Amino acid sequence: DGGITQSPKYLFRKEGQNVTLSCEQNLNHDAMYWYRQDPGQGLRLIYYSQIVNDFQKGDIAEGYSVSREKKESFPLTVTSAQKNPTAFYLCASSPRGSSGNTIYFGEGSWLTVV
Amino acid sequence: SQQGEEDPQALSIQEGENATMNCSYKTSINNLQWYRQNSGRGLVHLILIRSNEREKHSGRLRVTLDTSKKSSSLLITASRAADTASYFCATDDYGQNFVFGPGTRLSVLP
Repeated sequence: DGGITQSPKYLFRKEGQNVTLSCEQNLNHDAMYWYRQDPGQGLRLIYYSQIVNDFQKGDIAEGYSVSREKKESFPLTVTSAQKNPTAFYLCASSPRGSSGNTIYFGEGSWLTVV
Repeated sequence: SQQGEEDPQALSIQEGENATMNCSYKTSINNLQWYRQNSGRGLVHLILIRSNEREKHSGRLRVTLDTSKKSSSLLITASRAADTASYFCATDDYGQNFVFGPGTRLSVLP
């Protein structure tokens, strides 16, 4: 089945620790995105990538890092510099940019700081 | 930069009633899309309307777009308990990103 796979579904982070959220897509999409969603809130863009080996900061990139070494993979690292990382993280992809295209989402990953 | 703003923030209706939610945005758009999110899940695409379209239908969904007022509405007819979810509008800033509003939380009571 084609789609976007995020893992893990639930992740706990200790203070001062970096954690990485995985996102893999087999839709052959060029563009990939990471969003953060706080409870009862909308989506805020963290990073996006239009092509392999290139990515841009979104509205809330501080404390996060990404890589795009392969077309199908776009992992997100939540670093210790992110002071309030507890949230629901959504990975998404679209065929090429946004113009006229639909964006497809994974099932999300819950990150909790303990 | 938040482009779309849904209204109302929350809506409760009885099963069988119609649900209407609105989205306003600030700048010119290429198209506008509506998405649905069940609690704790990813977003699912519902419908896309282009800037040169005024109305679009898909099953029990009806979307309108008024570019002069920079607004869109989503109507769900004959609602069901399974329609309970959050609904988001997303605007296309001509090629780079999708910008999502804060969403409307719809509760359909049996």
